[in-house]
Amino acid sequence: SQELEQSPQSLIVQEGKNLTINCTSSKTLYGLYWYKQKYGEGLIFLMMLQKGGEEKSHEKITAKLDEKKQQSSLHITASQPSHAGIYLCGADKAGGGADGLTFGKGTHLIIQP
Amino acid sequence: GAVVSQHPSRVICKSGTSVKIECRSLDFQATTMFWYRQFPKQSLMLMATSNEGSKATYEQGVEKDKFLINHASLTLSTLTVTSAHPEDSSFYICSAPDSRANTGELFFGEGSRLTVL
Repeated sequence: SQELEQSPQSLIVQEGKNLTINCTSSKTLYGLYWYKQKYGEGLIFLMMLQKGGEEKSHEKITAKLDEKKQQSSLHITASQPSHAGIYLCGADKAGGGADGLTFGKGTHLIIQP
Repeated sequence: GAVVSQHPSRVICKSGTSVKIECRSLDFQATTMFWYRQFPKQSLMLMATSNEGSKATYEQGVEKDKFLINHASLTLSTLTVTSAHPEDSSFYICSAPDSRANTGELFFGEGSRLTVL
């Protein structure tokens, strides 16, 4: 079965600094999703990547999928308190979202003022 | 984007009772819906795939007789936790792909927090 490894598990960053979160898959990724979550709350969709080498940005968050489609990174520029939370990467168990997602264990991001 | 709604958002029940959680796609039809469970400080784990008009498919280790799934219509799937026990206390989230978008993107409900006393 596919496994997603996220790193780091937790991250404390001073407000205004940049940071990167990584997600590595044991198998080729058909679709890679990034979500943000606060414990016990719903998921906020950030981005979806499907093609090798693809890069997407939304406000100050940029996500990339490597050419081999086994690793994705999420980069936040000039972090703000609103960026704090749990970041989860999820991968399609099969193409097209037909079989649900497998999630990484999450990265807990703390922003220090 | 498409909207998926869950109800209730929070529920507290006594041990031994059954609890039903609803997942609705508000502006699209969903032939498939997915149910996830999340324990405190852990990741989301896929429990089962709900299929409209047919039996749900359960992931390994998930008891189908305990977690009853009914996908009665193209916009509604229900998860019933039968004879709930404190260890069933968790955060349950559903998701569904919007076939109109043809991107495979999954849309998640807000989640339902179950506490079993």
